[in-house]
Amino acid sequence: TQLLEQSPQFLSIQEGENLTVYCNSSSVFSSLQWYRQEPGEGPVLLVTVVTGGEVKKLKRLTFQFGDARKDSSLHITAAQPGDTGLYLCAGAVGSNYKLTFGKGTLLTVNP
Amino acid sequence: DTGVSQNPRHKITKRGQNVTFRCDPISEHNRLYWYRQTLGQGPEFLTYFQNEAQLEKSRLLSDRFSAERPKGSFSTLEIQRTEQGDSAMYLCASSLRGQSNSPLHFGNGTRLTVT
Repeated sequence: TQLLEQSPQFLSIQEGENLTVYCNSSSVFSSLQWYRQEPGEGPVLLVTVVTGGEVKKLKRLTFQFGDARKDSSLHITAAQPGDTGLYLCAGAVGSNYKLTFGKGTLLTVNP
Repeated sequence: DTGVSQNPRHKITKRGQNVTFRCDPISEHNRLYWYRQTLGQGPEFLTYFQNEAQLEKSRLLSDRFSAERPKGSFSTLEIQRTEQGDSAMYLCASSLRGQSNSPLHFGNGTRLTVT
């Protein structure tokens, strides 16, 4: 069973601050996806990373996949209240269709 | 593309009753998944269909749970003799086999409350 540990579990910051959330595992993943989920809605895909060391940017969000493909991070620059939500990482092994999710980081950005 | 649709959005039922949820995936997607999410947790895999074939069931899925996808389009998830521990958000997702890394497209879920 592949486990994904996310930290921190909760994060409350002021608008304009920067933050980083982490996703760690002892397992190697062929790909890792980041989702954002708002209350009462399903998760929405933000990005997929597949290559060790890969960095992807999505506006103010920067995603990195660890060299060994066991961990990932999400960095948000100048956070805005609209960034508030549950950030989930999810990993796939090989060509496995099944994703294993972490418990998520609940981010609150206060105006 | 109208996205993944789930009905009902909310269901309140008494312990011991049976409930059925429906999921309509994105029309061209041949893969369909059911996940369950409880408060403070990420989604947990329940089962997976490729077209009409149910290819995997999690050990989380007790005998009281059954899922079908009869024509390879919509899917239903039935829970018999519901228990309070079944209270959760049930999420459906679909994806397209062959698409790079097959990202999942989730519906907005059915929130089940068992009283």
